[in-house]
Amino acid sequence: GAVVSQHPSRVICKSGTSVKIECRSLDFQATTMFWYRQFPKQSLMLMATSNEGSKATYEQGVEKDKFLINHASLTLSTLTVTSAHPEDSSFYICSARDPMAGVWETQYFGPGTRLLVL
Amino acid sequence: ELKVEQNPLFLSMQEGKNYTIYCNYSTTSDRLYWYRQDPGKSLESLFVLLSNGAVKQEGRLMASLDTKARLSTLHITAAVHDLSATYFCAVDMTETSYDKVIFGPGTSLSVIP
Repeated sequence: GAVVSQHPSRVICKSGTSVKIECRSLDFQATTMFWYRQFPKQSLMLMATSNEGSKATYEQGVEKDKFLINHASLTLSTLTVTSAHPEDSSFYICSARDPMAGVWETQYFGPGTRLLVL
Repeated sequence: ELKVEQNPLFLSMQEGKNYTIYCNYSTTSDRLYWYRQDPGKSLESLFVLLSNGAVKQEGRLMASLDTKARLSTLHITAAVHDLSATYFCAVDMTETSYDKVIFGPGTSLSVIP
């Protein structure tokens, strides 16, 4: 099946710094990628939908200026957590759809990035 | 607003037993997904269900979809310890020009030897 990678897998940063997370589709082109956040023992919460060549669509309650999303190419989307604070510590997971998969398309999930803000 | 609910949220069962996890959603949808998540890991796709009456099986897991009732089930047959994980259902929601997927709260399954 399709593969989605994320980098880094784990990051620890100081409060106030910015952290960039990359999401890549390795063997397909993804016009749409999704960014989720998951707190321990909770479900995935959709943060934003990343569209190649256009602005991301953010879910209600997600600060656009804090979580900057850039989808510069058909295989790469980045999420930058700006001025990170301890409450931003979470598991961030990206996913991508393979548009060539037709009606059976599913989302392929990256391995996730665990962010810890001290 | 689309809501996705799962029942039960926690399930402890003995090996060899059968059980069903239920997923209800609040609006019409084109697709329903089931995913598995192991602790500390990302999500693994299990099933994609597209139409009313769809049934899919893989090993000891079988998923079904009733779009009229807005209900999907994930049935576990003769559970084994390796099935211990958290299972999420997720529903496609098409809004204007883009799709998004909303997840249920998850069912944490523990299979006891």
